Amino acid sequence: GAVVSQHPSRVICKSGTSVKIECRSLDFQATTMFWYRQFPKQSLMLMATSNEGSKATYEQGVEKDKFLINHASLTLSTLTVTSAHPEDSSFYICSAPNQMNTEAFFGQGTRLTVV
Amino acid sequence: QKEVEQNSGPLSVPEGAIASLNCTYSDRGSQSFFWYRQYSGKSPELIMSIYSNGDKEDGRFTAQLNKASQYVSLLIRDSQPSDSATYLCAVLNTGNQFYFGTGTSLTVIP
Repeated sequence: GAVVSQHPSRVICKSGTSVKIECRSLDFQATTMFWYRQFPKQSLMLMATSNEGSKATYEQGVEKDKFLINHASLTLSTLTVTSAHPEDSSFYICSAPNQMNTEAFFGQGTRLTVV
Repeated sequence: QKEVEQNSGPLSVPEGAIASLNCTYSDRGSQSFFWYRQYSGKSPELIMSIYSNGDKEDGRFTAQLNKASQYVSLLIRDSQPSDSATYLCAVLNTGNQFYFGTGTSLTVIP
C-alpha cells in the first residue's frame, strides 16, 4: 500500500526556536496533504490543507504565520512551527489522500515537546 | 457546527459482545466515509471505507451509511480485547478535505 513518511518522529526544542516537520509520499504523488494536531486524549484537529504549487489553506483559528506550510513538490510537504512555545507541544500528523481520494494515508506522526 | 460528530464515549463492552459506534456529518454532499482505528501514540489506521447507502461487511466489522440522515456507523461483532482503541470517523467533504470526528474510545473487557 501507499506509504507516507514523516520525520522526525520525536523532537524536543527550546521555547522560541523553530521546528520543521517533513512529510513525504514515497510511492505516489500527493497534490494535497493535510496537517493535523492532536492533544492528549483528543481527536485529530485539521490545521491546514497543503496544496502543491499554491498557498496552504488554514482552518479557522490556526495562525498561518506561526505554522508555515510549504508544499514544494508532489511528494513533499513541510510544516514549520515558528517561535515554538510550550503550548505548541503536541502530536502532529500529516496525511495524504491517494489520487482517487479513496483513502488517506498517514505519516507516523511527530511528537513535539517545547521546553 | 462541526463537520463530523461522534460520541466520545468511553464505550465499554464485554468480550464477545457487539460494539456500536456512531457518527454524523454536516456536509450533505459528502460521498466518502471512513472508519479509522488509533492506538495511543500511534497514527490512525484505516479499517473500512464506505461510499454507498447500506451496509458493508468486512470480517467482524460492518459499516453502515445513511446519506439521507447523514449518519455513519461501525459495528464490531465478537469484540476482542485487542479491539480496545479509539475509533475515528472521517468524511471526505465536497471540498476534498478529510475531516475527523472526535473519536470514540472503546474498551473491550475480557
